[in-house]
Formats: sequence, C-alpha cells, structure tokens
Amino acid sequence: AQSVTQLDSQVPVFEEAPVELRCNYSSSVSVYLFWYVQYPNQGLQLLLKYLSGSTLVKGINGFEAEFNKSQTSFHLRKPSVHISDTAEYFCAVSAPNSGNTPLVFGKGTRLSVIA
Amino acid sequence: NAGVMQNPRHLVRRRGQEARLRCSPMKGHSHVYWYRQLPEEGLKFMVYLQKENIIDESGMPKERFSAEFPKEGPSILRIQQVVRGDSAAYFCASSTGTGASEQYFGPGTRLTVT
Repeated sequence: AQSVTQLDSQVPVFEEAPVELRCNYSSSVSVYLFWYVQYPNQGLQLLLKYLSGSTLVKGINGFEAEFNKSQTSFHLRKPSVHISDTAEYFCAVSAPNSGNTPLVFGKGTRLSVIA
Repeated sequence: NAGVMQNPRHLVRRRGQEARLRCSPMKGHSHVYWYRQLPEEGLKFMVYLQKENIIDESGMPKERFSAEFPKEGPSILRIQQVVRGDSAAYFCASSTGTGASEQYFGPGTRLTVT
C-alpha cells in the first residue's frame, strides 16, 4: 500500500519569493507521482506528474518538482510566486503496475501568498 | 471537449434523507473514480467503476453508500439515510483507463447534512 505525507499544512510566503512544498511517499513498488492544485470551492487541477524518465518535471504555471527515489520525495517548487498561486496543493501517488489504481493523496498544503 | 461534470454542486439534506450525486465523465472516458474530502483533509478514495462494473469499492463505507455507472447516463453515488458525518465534498474523476492515464476531476458536490 502507498501513503503520502505532506510535511507542512500551511505555508505563507511573500509575493515574488520562492516556495517549496514538501511531499514524501512510501511504497513497496514503483509509483507514479502527481501534484494537484485546488482553488477555493473548485475541483482539482493537475499541475504536473512524474511517470518515468527525467527526475525533474516541469508543470503548468511555472511549477516544477523533482523526484528523489533515495529520499522518497517529490517536492514542488516555484522560483517566484504570485498572489494567484494562493490555493491548496495536494501530492498524490498511484501504483502503475496494478492497473488504473486510485490515487492516494496527502492531506494537502495551503499556500498563502502575501502581497 | 467538456470536462467532468458533477451535479448538483451543492446539496443540502436533512438527517435520514437520501443524497444522489451525479458524475458525467469526459467524452471518451470509461473509468470513473469517486473521492471524498472531509474538512481539513485530503481526498480519500471511495470507489472505482467502469461501465456497468464496480472494479474497486475498498474505500466505500459498507452501509448506506452505493455507486453505479450504467451503460447509458452518468455515474451515481447514492448515500441513504444521511448523517451529519456524511457532510463533505465529493469529487468524481474520470480517465480513459489505458496506460498511465491521467485522472481528470470534476468541480465536486458539496453535501451538507443538517
């Protein structure tokens, strides 16, 4: 079984500052990794995903994440945040070798960008 | 291409009533997943369906909850005799089901039990 830990429940950051949202996972098998963003009262939108290949993954809205197998991490980064990045961010895993398995989500990190 | 549709967006039910949540997957998608998001929590998997089949219902409470995805029409998540603890946001996602297929999420139904 897989599990996901998002180490920070809330991250306040000033506008134009860099940000890193941390995600660690545990799994006995190889995994696919995802970051989703949820704006208030909306559904989830995929930011980026790691399936295989290059460990540095670039996504939408200037976000990127790096898969680190030895540390079982998939931290999300953005070099300069905007007010519009204020949202809830969820890290998720799935097990590719088990077919189209459901996603296992972390509890989320609330990013608040301060003007 | 329309995204995943869910209705209603907001649903208020009194304790003991039934709640019916609908999900229309994206065009061409034959796999549907239901997730529940409790306040201050991440999304938890409930059930995974293909047309006319339940593939995995390991996250579904054993009583009062049921789901279907008929050959025609939307997927339905039904909650009978709702209780206050059922108040949550319920999200549906769909995928093509092939390879490393991405799950696309709907806007959710926010259920409030009074």
